[in-house]
Amino acid sequence: AQKVTQAQTEISVVEKEDVTLDCVYETRDTTYYLFWYKQPPSGELVFLIRRNSFDEQNEISGRYSWNFQKSTSSFNFTITASQVVDSAVYFCALSGDYNQGGKLIFGQGTELSVKP
Amino acid sequence: DGGITQSPKYLFRKEGQNVTLSCEQNLNHDAMYWYRQDPGQGLRLIYYSQIVNDFQKGDIAEGYSVSREKKESFPLTVTSAQKNPTAFYLCASRGVRVSTNEKLFFGSGTQLSVL
Repeated sequence: AQKVTQAQTEISVVEKEDVTLDCVYETRDTTYYLFWYKQPPSGELVFLIRRNSFDEQNEISGRYSWNFQKSTSSFNFTITASQVVDSAVYFCALSGDYNQGGKLIFGQGTELSVKP
Repeated sequence: DGGITQSPKYLFRKEGQNVTLSCEQNLNHDAMYWYRQDPGQGLRLIYYSQIVNDFQKGDIAEGYSVSREKKESFPLTVTSAQKNPTAFYLCASRGVRVSTNEKLFFGSGTQLSVL
């Protein structure tokens, strides 16, 4: 069975601090995809990144970076120099091949609060 | 602008009543999904559809029903059999490509509450 665990329920930081959101996943598939989404107070989920299981390259996009490690089944997300606008709930998600329905399995989410 | 439209934004259900949540997309996506979000539990899959006139149960389908008569539309009915319907409901869609797993696009959600 597939499972995603985000052990951090809530994180609070002060603006300009770096923060890492943890994500651990379980799957027996050899081909799978990992995602991060941001959910601001408005409720709509905003796509941040997708990674496939064959690409372990870390990625940086502005203040965001992602560390994918298959050896530890982790896909962690770091925000550098956090800002108040980063306050949101962040979800890590996992899916198998599209022939499995293309559905995403979500973690419980981490609520990030960035204080000025 | 292309996107997913969910309506209404807020919905109230009386005991024993069925209610229907609307989800429309103009992204020409083949697959559509319904998720339920409860505080502290993340998103759980209710139903999904990869093609018109076909749909599959997700992890928590009991008490819900769907239809997929048109590619653009995937309405969700919360029936009276769903004893705890209060939640935030999110609709999503994705395009289909054989070689990759496309991301899901999400609507802005419907908050359903019981009167």
